[in-house]
Amino acid sequence: AQSVTQPDIHITVSEGASLELRCNYSYGATPYLFWYVQSPGQGLQLLLKYFSGDTLVQGIKGFEAEFKRSQSSFNLRKPSVHWSDAAEYFCAVRNTGKLIFGQGTTLQVKP
Amino acid sequence: DGGITQSPKYLFRKEGQNVTLSCEQNLNHDAMYWYRQDPGQGLRLIYYSQIVNDFQKGDIAEGYSVSREKKESFPLTVTSAQKNPTAFYLCASRGRGKETQYFGPGTRLLVL
Repeated sequence: AQSVTQPDIHITVSEGASLELRCNYSYGATPYLFWYVQSPGQGLQLLLKYFSGDTLVQGIKGFEAEFKRSQSSFNLRKPSVHWSDAAEYFCAVRNTGKLIFGQGTTLQVKP
Repeated sequence: DGGITQSPKYLFRKEGQNVTLSCEQNLNHDAMYWYRQDPGQGLRLIYYSQIVNDFQKGDIAEGYSVSREKKESFPLTVTSAQKNPTAFYLCASRGRGKETQYFGPGTRLLVL
């Protein structure tokens, strides 16, 4: 069965430091992959998506993600974290018109 | 201004009561979805609809019901059969032939 795993439930980084959030998926065919961000009490906002082509995709707010088929991974990165990036981040894979979500990673940013 | 609206923002349910959560979109999207979010569990699909007058159960449909009489609207009813309804409920929509789902702001349901 298709699944998405975000191994890190909670991550804390210092403001200005780099960030990498991990996402591993299990999917038989070429996956359509997404990263969403959720601020407390809010809906989800799309950060970026990968369907095909260049395996390094750029998103909003300075985020990028790299699709690695050999590792079944789609890790999210940002070179310099801002305090406003504190939120919960969800990785998802499309499955016949539906989305399967990981359990989410909560990012805390230290001043 | 195009988007997805959910109302109310907070909803309180008494024991044995049915409550209905509203989801409206003006994006002309064909598909609509309802998710339930609990702390540490990510999002779980309750129901989805790919077209008007048609909908399918998701992974956790028990205790919930939906209707899709209009393209713009996909209300979710939490019935008294749902024994643990306290959660954050998110509605999403997707355009025909598109892959990306867009989300509303959510409704938090609490039990009195």
